[in-house]
Amino acid sequence: NAGVTQTPKFQVLKTGQSMTLQCAQDMNHEYMSWYRQDPGMGLRLIHYSVGAGITDQGEVPNGYNVSRSTTEDFPLRLLSAAPSQTSVYFCASSYSAWGVGGGYTFGSGTRLTVV
Amino acid sequence: AQTVTQSQPEMSVQEAETVTLSCTYDTSESNYYLFWYKQPPSRQMILVIRQEAYKQQNATENRFSVNFQKAAKSFSLKISDSQLGDTAMYFCAFSTNTDKLIFGTGTRLQVFP
Repeated sequence: NAGVTQTPKFQVLKTGQSMTLQCAQDMNHEYMSWYRQDPGMGLRLIHYSVGAGITDQGEVPNGYNVSRSTTEDFPLRLLSAAPSQTSVYFCASSYSAWGVGGGYTFGSGTRLTVV
Repeated sequence: AQTVTQSQPEMSVQEAETVTLSCTYDTSESNYYLFWYKQPPSRQMILVIRQEAYKQQNATENRFSVNFQKAAKSFSLKISDSQLGDTAMYFCAFSTNTDKLIFGTGTRLQVFP
């Protein structure tokens, strides 16, 4: 039972490079979301999805793209990395936006450094 | 807009003592869920406890309990018999039936022997 799997765990990018953070869940959760965690700011929502084919913006969406072609996968794309995107990124999934049935399950995070 | 406020950036407690972490929130919704998540140095986000807004009874999970005051929009976490393994960041969070899980800025708890 893998839960939510995020890859990679660590990444260093140069300014202007692009990359995709992967997130996969095997719990048949409809709701998936991406957060970034910065010191003193808690976790801020980047994008979220309430089901395959449906995505929406969160609090800090600029510079990030998402798509949801399957229930299981919700990749986060950085098109042109900037130093301001240095952060720890978390993917989370849930049966619903309510978080019922066990709450939200989080991946182990990706520490991204943009130099 | 929904907001979650944790006014204590850092707290400390001696082992076996009790500590209370504060959280207030703002919303115009009547139905919602409140959560406390723990983040130890391993970085993993762990659900500690959750409360459904329409339930008046305060949730409890072993040594963890909440004081939910709906009218005051307050949701504090009490940790009894603190253990060294409770050392972590604690995040209060809020969600509605329409969308996202919103977090506070966190409280760093240090448990001393």
